Amino acid sequence: DIVMTQSPDSLAVSLGERATINCKSSQSILYRSNNKNYLAWYQQKPGQPPKLLIYWASTRESGVPDRFSGSGSGTDFTLTISSLQAEDVATYYCQQFYTVPPWSFGQGTKLEIK
Amino acid sequence: QVQLVQSGAEVKMPGASVKISCKASGFTFTNYPIHWVRQAPGQRPEWMGRINAGNGDTIYSQKFQGRVTITRDTSASTAYMDLGSLRSEDSAVFYCARDLSKSPEGIYSGHVTGVFDIWGQGTMVTVSS
Repeated sequence: DIVMTQSPDSLAVSLGERATINCKSSQSILYRSNNKNYLAWYQQKPGQPPKLLIYWASTRESGVPDRFSGSGSGTDFTLTISSLQAEDVATYYCQQFYTVPPWSFGQGTKLEIK
Repeated sequence: QVQLVQSGAEVKMPGASVKISCKASGFTFTNYPIHWVRQAPGQRPEWMGRINAGNGDTIYSQKFQGRVTITRDTSASTAYMDLGSLRSEDSAVFYCARDLSKSPEGIYSGHVTGVFDIWGQGTMVTVSS
């Protein structure tokens, strides 16, 4: 099974500053035939289900603010929030959907305001 | 609006079974796969299995194989997840989630992608004697 590892486990960023969360997969999740990385990012606030932010590593889901962006390829990926807003306080998870199931999530990164 | 609404919280004894429902509205239920995900307190989500709501095909995570059964009732636009032989580590929130079902070109495909775009509100299951 593919193991997803995020860093850091927690992060404190000032309002208006950039937040960067990293995600590493135990094997490449780049499908060479279509040049797509099978990586998604979710945001989860306490007491709520996860919310899809980004898929194919960099495609923003409809309605997601453009301050959220995804990048990376192969085994190393990044979620960037360009200018942190108070409502972005949450736990963020990466998830691979490359292989046949089981699809796996990272352990999460808790983002707080400094 | 597009949504999935799950049944309410459950308290079960160890060894018992629980069945959770997930009612879809705002979209054509049979056009999308529906997944089930377990999330224990403070833990990462874990994919359990999914059903193709159109033809009823299922696939389960090996971790839950033999304990989990996912079914659907197309007339009620509802998916169900039945988990048996409950143990303490099953004390968790269980979510149903719709598959994104988009091709890499961004077009609706009807096929499984493994990306979860609409989530139910979650059902808390507590396993305790």
